[in-house]
Amino acid sequence: DIQMTQSPSFLSASVGDRVTITCRASQTISDYLNWYQQKPGEAPKLLVYGSFTLQSGVPSRFSGSGSGTDFTLTINRLQPEDSATYYCQQSYGTPFTFGPGTKVDIK
Amino acid sequence: QVQLQQWGAGLLKPSETLSLTCAGSGGSFSDYSWSWIRQSPGKGLEWIGEVNHGGSTNYNPSLKSRVTISLDTSNNQFSLKLNSVIAADTAVYFCARGSREWVRPPYYYYYMDVWDSGTTVTVSS
Repeated sequence: DIQMTQSPSFLSASVGDRVTITCRASQTISDYLNWYQQKPGEAPKLLVYGSFTLQSGVPSRFSGSGSGTDFTLTINRLQPEDSATYYCQQSYGTPFTFGPGTKVDIK
Repeated sequence: QVQLQQWGAGLLKPSETLSLTCAGSGGSFSDYSWSWIRQSPGKGLEWIGEVNHGGSTNYNPSLKSRVTISLDTSNNQFSLKLNSVIAADTAVYFCARGSREWVRPPYYYYYMDVWDSGTTVTVSS
């Protein structure tokens, strides 16, 4: 299985800050990388697919980048509603696997 | 836009069979895959498997010996059965739609873009 890791596991930032979350795959996955946002008690919500393509309806302050084994999710101008846990997921091969998550807290 | 809603037993005893059904409304069931994912504090998000619109399945090897996912296109539903459950199968179970965007055939991006709200399944004697 392809193992996914994320860093940091937790971060606290202020409204208006720029936040970067890193995801790393245990082998190259080209750009077959998705990002999800999950709030407590809710299902994950797709934010980005194909490493950088923003899902319809997702605010443009979210952006994704990377290829190969290293990927980033950036949130520009952090908003209070961005408080959530963010997961990366590889779709290069089955079984699809997720990262352990990064919890973003608003100061 | 399709919406998903699932139902099934939420409390099981060890060795029983977990059975969940997910129904879609408001959209087409064809041309997509349909996945089950679970989330537990100990293992995070774990993809269980999927069934495509043609009925072909793909399972996580870690669960393959105990899992069956099936599709009922006439009712826009798909189901999960997990045999011989143990305490470690306690989790929130989600059903989700898998979509594809072709990049350069035969390559495509695959992502799960519609999820239900999840249901908690507890395995306890």
